Amino acid sequence: ETGVTQSPTHLIKTRGQQVTLRCSSQSGHNTVSWYQQALGQGPQFIFQYYREEENGRGNFPPRFSGLQFPNYSSELNVNALELDDSALYLCASSSGTSGGGDTQYFGPGTRLTVL
Amino acid sequence: DAKTTQPTSMDCAEGRAANLPCNHSTISGNEYVYWYRQIHSQGPQYIIHGLKNNETNEMASLIITEDRKSSTLILPHATLRDTAVYYCIVRTRDTGRRALTFGSGTRLQVQP
Repeated sequence: ETGVTQSPTHLIKTRGQQVTLRCSSQSGHNTVSWYQQALGQGPQFIFQYYREEENGRGNFPPRFSGLQFPNYSSELNVNALELDDSALYLCASSSGTSGGGDTQYFGPGTRLTVL
Repeated sequence: DAKTTQPTSMDCAEGRAANLPCNHSTISGNEYVYWYRQIHSQGPQYIIHGLKNNETNEMASLIITEDRKSSTLILPHATLRDTAVYYCIVRTRDTGRRALTFGSGTRLQVQP
């Protein structure tokens, strides 16, 4: 069974640019959640996709957008990058079952640096 | 989602049990307690979760008090590789809100 994978591992962009991060969910999982983790802080929820539809969003501006594909992989897009967007971006997949039992499994993350 | 309170840091001797406490006094009846850990700059790793009963798996045991207002994660024989930040998370069952809300966690340092 393949776990959650993310690409790229590291990325350096300049302010104002756009970036796309990718996530492949664990086999059998139909839900992908994205989190942002600034240095020294816990991960913060950005949004979640369930069966290709956005299924909840945290307190992030619209320049953070996403997609989920029929194979349940996902992309996180960030437009007009700001210095504060520098962070570790984490993707987590889950099976989307009801009852709170859908444990989220995290990928290794993408480290984004905005200069 | 209910808030959690954890000590900022703890030390444990290698080979001894590590007991990590978590307070969640406002937990509601349908909320689960989850534990994750994060080793430096890696993605969080799922450890265990529970609702009411104590749970055990190959990594750890989770002890939840009868009133569910607190819990303890137990690593029975801590090793240096268990040095990490441990997050206790209370998670709603609401189908529209499945996000994990991370606090600051407990930084566990296992000493040789």
